Amino acid sequence: KAGVTQTPRYLIKTRGQQVTLSCSPISGHRSVSWYQQTPGQGLQFLFEYFSETQRNKGNFPGRFSGRQFSNSRSEMNVSTLELGDSALYLCASSFESSAYNEQFFGPGTRLTVL
Amino acid sequence: GENVEQHPSTLSVQEGDSAVIKCTYSDSASNYFPWYKQELGKRPQLIIDIRSNVGEKKDQRIAVTLNKTAKHFSLHITETQPEDSAVYFCAASGGFQKLVFGTGTRLLVSP
Repeated sequence: KAGVTQTPRYLIKTRGQQVTLSCSPISGHRSVSWYQQTPGQGLQFLFEYFSETQRNKGNFPGRFSGRQFSNSRSEMNVSTLELGDSALYLCASSFESSAYNEQFFGPGTRLTVL
Repeated sequence: GENVEQHPSTLSVQEGDSAVIKCTYSDSASNYFPWYKQELGKRPQLIIDIRSNVGEKKDQRIAVTLNKTAKHFSLHITETQPEDSAVYFCAASGGFQKLVFGTGTRLLVSP
């Protein structure tokens, strides 16, 4: 089975721009979660989607949004980019949405905001 | 909301020694506690997890213990090897797929 894939792997943007990141889960997985990883804040939960519905949301401003398609692929969007948005964005997929389901992480998208 | 503290931030051991990483959580409703290993430049990978109705779980050289009363859980690695060198993250979850992570422990195993 193919693992979780994320595109693009690297991205450079300037302040004020917006960006869209994509995540393709493992085949058959219906839950996709997004995390931001930075050296200072560690791994922080952004949101989770299951069956095209947002199930849970972390403490991030409204500039961060996401969606999930009927094939379970997910996108996250960050508008009006700030320097502090520079981070590794990881998505993770799991079969179901309950807490006990292992989350499989993708390789991440490294976003640099100049 | 849930808060997870993790100690130590760095841990250096000699090959063959044991390593212990400790985490505490704040939300008594948390019921699932996974541990992830992240090697440099790679994605986090689950190495072991434990549910709140279990006190201890072992998988070869790795074990996790959970004390619900004290709200802390620990990762134990025995007979460490250089390939165990990585950053280890503990996490807690009270529902759905929202994982709250600790700040990570950088483990260095010297030959």
